[in-house]
Amino acid sequence: EAQVTQNPRYLITVTGKKLTVTCSQNMNHEYMSWYRQDPGLGLRQIYYSMNVEVTDKGDVPEGYKVSRKEKRNFPLILESPSPNQTSLYFCASRGTAYNSNQPQHFGDGTRLSIL
Amino acid sequence: GQNIDQPTEMTATEGAIVQINCTYQTSGFNGLFWYQQHAGEAPTFLSYNVLDGLEEKGRFSSFLSRSKGYSYLLLKELQMKDSASYLCGLSGGYNKLIFGAGTRLAVHP
Repeated sequence: EAQVTQNPRYLITVTGKKLTVTCSQNMNHEYMSWYRQDPGLGLRQIYYSMNVEVTDKGDVPEGYKVSRKEKRNFPLILESPSPNQTSLYFCASRGTAYNSNQPQHFGDGTRLSIL
Repeated sequence: GQNIDQPTEMTATEGAIVQINCTYQTSGFNGLFWYQQHAGEAPTFLSYNVLDGLEEKGRFSSFLSRSKGYSYLLLKELQMKDSASYLCGLSGGYNKLIFGAGTRLAVHP
C-alpha cells in the first residue's frame, strides 16, 4: 500500500530535550515536505526537499532541522524543543519534484507537546 | 507575498448543497488545490484547478477564476461524513504549497 509513515504519532516531552520525528514514504517520491498545523493558522511549511541531499527552508524553519540522506526518509529534528513548537506535524510527499500539479500525499500526523 | 482567505466555519443540512469560497492574492500562481481533513486526520486530496472554469468529480466540484483570484468548492447531496475541514492550497511554484486556515464544515441532520 502506498503511504507516508510518521513516527511517533504522539509525543509529550520537555523543553530542551532533542527529538526526531521520522517520515518514510514507499512511493519513490522525489519531493518531501514538513508542515505544522496550528488552530487558526492552517498548515505552514517548515522545510522541503527536492531530492536526496537537496533541502530548503519553508515559511517557518526556525528551531527545526531536516536531512535527506535517502530518498524514502525525511526526518524532522528539533535540537532544543520549546513550548511554542507544540503543534500537529505532517509529513507529505509527491512524485516529481518539479511538477507542482501533482497532489501531495500526507502522513497521519504527529502530535507533539513540549512542556 | 501570498494571502489566502476562507470562511472559518460553515453549517449545512444533510442532502443540501454548500459552497466554500477561497480568495487569494499572489505574485506567482501555478494552480489551486482543495483538500479535505477530518478532525485529527491527514489532509486528503479532493481537486486541482489550473485553468479557469469548473472541474467536476462526483458530488464535489471546484471552480477557479484566475483573473479574480477566486475559487470555490461545491459539495452536493451533503452527507454526515462530509463534516470536516476543507483546505484551500495555492501552488505558487514547484517548491511549496501555501494553505489557507481552512473552513470547518458541520453537516446537520
